[in-house]
Amino acid sequence: GAVVSQHPSRVICKSGTSVKIECRSLDFQATTMFWYRQFPKKSLMLMATSNEGSKATYEQGVEKDKFLINHASLTLSTLTVTSAHPEDSSFYICSADRTDNEKLFFGSGTQLSVL
Amino acid sequence: DAKTTQPNSMESNEEEPVHLPCNHSTISGTDYIHWYRQLPSQGPEYVIHGLTSNVNNRMASLAIAEDRKSSTLILHRATLRDAAVYYCILLAPNAGNMLTFGGGTRLMVKP
Repeated sequence: GAVVSQHPSRVICKSGTSVKIECRSLDFQATTMFWYRQFPKKSLMLMATSNEGSKATYEQGVEKDKFLINHASLTLSTLTVTSAHPEDSSFYICSADRTDNEKLFFGSGTQLSVL
Repeated sequence: DAKTTQPNSMESNEEEPVHLPCNHSTISGTDYIHWYRQLPSQGPEYVIHGLTSNVNNRMASLAIAEDRKSSTLILHRATLRDAAVYYCILLAPNAGNMLTFGGGTRLMVKP
């Protein structure tokens, strides 16, 4: 079946550094990918919708300059947390849209800890 | 926009059936109903999905109300490995496949 690969699975960084998270669709082309943030014991919150070849659409309250999204190909979207601070520590998950409305495909998530 | 509501938690005994409810009273006619579960520090895992008719697979059954304003995920015999947070998710094909997540139900299974 289709697989979405997300890495790294865990990253610890110092405050002020930038962190890049990759989301790849391994055996299908994903024109749209979604990025979510999840706080402990909370549901997933949509951060942005990433469309191949165009600018991402950000949800209200999500800083586009803080969370840079690039969707340069049909199989890869990246989320870069710039100048990370401790409050950016969270679990980030991507999902890829296969447009057939069947199974949804989620990455395995990235636990970001900013010291 | 559609909204989904789920109980925060439920408890079950091992080997017994579990019925996890989800209310989505503002669902539109074309929205799909998906159920995923999530273990700590992992991405969501597919359980089942449907549109109008009830669905069965090897993991679970999905019962969809006739008016589609609610659905129930049925685990026929809970095991300890079924302990997870179960999310009811609506997928809106007419809104760019936007997903609407319920708050999730934490299922605890007692041996």
